[in-house]
Amino acid sequence: DTEVTQTPKHLVMGMTNKKSLKCEQHMGHRAMYWYKQKAKKPPELMFVYSYEKLSINESVPSRFSPECPNSSLLNLHLHALQPEDSALYLCASSQEVAASYEQYFGPGTRLTVT
Amino acid sequence: GESVGLHLPTLSVQEGDNSIINCAYSNSASDYFIWYKQESGKGPQFIIDIRSNMDKRQGQRVTVLLNKTVKHLSLQIAATQPGDSAVYFCAEKWGAGGTSYGKLTFGQGTILTVHP
Repeated sequence: DTEVTQTPKHLVMGMTNKKSLKCEQHMGHRAMYWYKQKAKKPPELMFVYSYEKLSINESVPSRFSPECPNSSLLNLHLHALQPEDSALYLCASSQEVAASYEQYFGPGTRLTVT
Repeated sequence: GESVGLHLPTLSVQEGDNSIINCAYSNSASDYFIWYKQESGKGPQFIIDIRSNMDKRQGQRVTVLLNKTVKHLSLQIAATQPGDSAVYFCAEKWGAGGTSYGKLTFGQGTILTVHP
């Protein structure tokens, strides 16, 4: 099984809402990632978790809060977002963070902030 | 800052032709260079990678070439098919530790359209 699943597929939320994105993999990978992708742009790294510990935060605003409750799950908690945060949020995983390991991407959550 | 970029934003070819997608990079410290394919409504899909100590690697119908002298990366797709139509991203990854360890940086992308 080489699948990364993400839920929900689509999410519409107001600027005062609190919501969460969920990512799951059962490949035994110990590195997990969150990316943000705007339309017609490349994915941009947000966070990296290695062995359930946050190892990279790309200066992401605090209204985005990642969580890795166990080695198979990665959450992204959203609070007080802005319309410019509307984007495709991609989760990925790899065996470890080392460069030689392939990253597997999920299909993404399409987020619209109104 | 350092970045990975592409020369051509769009490429249109006929079915059966060979396609070449190019990418320029500026960080000579990257350990791996990777090509991803992203179809509409999907996440990026790994195609092929190449380590910085290699200059060529072949896969099924694809070949990646790395020219470290001019910091250039290319993806060659043989006998391009309509199913190859997608956005193609090059990406680079650091593997030597430090604050960028594990960071994957994508280039701007090329839209490949294959006409039947």
